[in-house]
Formats: sequence, C-alpha cells, structure tokens
Amino acid sequence: EDKVVQSPLSLVVHEGDTVTLNCSYEVTNFRSLLWYKQEKKAPTFLFMLTSSGIEKKSGRLSSILDKKELFSILNITATQTGDSAIYLCAVDGNTGKLIFGQGTTLQVKP
Amino acid sequence: NAGVMQNPRHLVRRRGQEARLRCSPMKGHSHVYWYRQLPEEGLKFMVYLQKENIIDESGMPKERFSAEFPKEGPSILRIQQVVRGDSAAYFCASSVQGGSYNSPLHFGNGTRLTVT
Repeated sequence: EDKVVQSPLSLVVHEGDTVTLNCSYEVTNFRSLLWYKQEKKAPTFLFMLTSSGIEKKSGRLSSILDKKELFSILNITATQTGDSAIYLCAVDGNTGKLIFGQGTTLQVKP
Repeated sequence: NAGVMQNPRHLVRRRGQEARLRCSPMKGHSHVYWYRQLPEEGLKFMVYLQKENIIDESGMPKERFSAEFPKEGPSILRIQQVVRGDSAAYFCASSVQGGSYNSPLHFGNGTRLTVT
C-alpha cells in the first residue's frame, strides 16, 4: 500500500529560526512529490518535485527530492509568524490521485 | 479566474439526515477529487472523478457515501444517514489532467460538516 510519512508531527520555533520538515514515502510507481501549506482553509500549493537532487526555491522556502532514498525535505529559513501552518507532503503514485502524509504543524513564536 | 468553489462552507446535520456537499472545479479542469480531513490528521483520499465517470473510489466507505460529477453542474458528495463519525472537513480539488501531470491539484476551502 502506498504510504507517506512526515516528521516531525509538530514543531515550535522562534522567529528567525530555520526549520527542516521531512517526508518519506513508499509508492509502487512514482510520478511526483508535492508540498502544500494549509492555514485555516484550503491547502495551497508550494512545490512539485519530480527529479532527484534539483532544489526548488521560492523566497525563504526550498525543497529537494531524493528518489534513491525516497524522501524529501522542505526548508524554511528566517521563519516568520506567518509561516505558522500545517505543511502537507503528498505523493502522486501515477494512479491519478495524491496520497498525503499526516502533516507537520509548525508554530512560529514572535 | 475563480478557484475551486465549495459550498456550503459549514453544514450542520443531525444524525440520520443526509448531507450534500458541492464542488465546482476551476475553469478548464475536468478532474475532481474529494478528500476528508479529520482533526489532527492529513488528507485522506476518498474518490476521483472525471465528467460522468468515477475513476477511483477506493477511499470511499462502502455504505452511505456516493459521489457524482455530471456533465453539467458541480460535483456532489452525498452522505446518507450521517453519523457523528462523519464530522470532518471535506475538501475538493481539481486538475487539468489526472494526478499531478504537468500541474498540481488545486483545492477548495472545504466544507466543514458537523453531525449533532
């Protein structure tokens, strides 16, 4: 059965800290790995990764995929209170649907 | 370009009643997905539909739940004879093509169902 596991499940940091969120997966066929940020409502898309070793970057956020070791990390540098959210990792196992991990709840304190 | 639209935002039903949740995908998207999110949990896949077809319903409970995406109109997730355990946030997502091929799934704001 396809599976996605995120760690840690929750994290509390102070503004300015750097955080690393982890996502490991097991799928029969891999097409892509996606990161979403969820605040009070709709998950919003952050990154889609398909190739190993190529870092995707958007402002203070970056992500990279390792297809050999079956994991991805999401880095956030110089965290701000607005980064507080649930971060969701999902894998497309080439079945037409996304399998999500449990999410990492990040709280950034001022 | 409106995003994925879900309504209602909040729905309260008594045990035994029916709940109907609606989802209009983004313009140009013909693939719709329904996910359920329980407190402190990630998104659990329920069903994947294209216009007039159910592609994958492996995440749907066998009884009381059904989904459709007619040729005209929104996709509907229907829960009959609701029970307290159905209380959750139900999210709809849409994409141009199946899965994440070329583009990610875009999510609606969800419907929060409360069963009293």
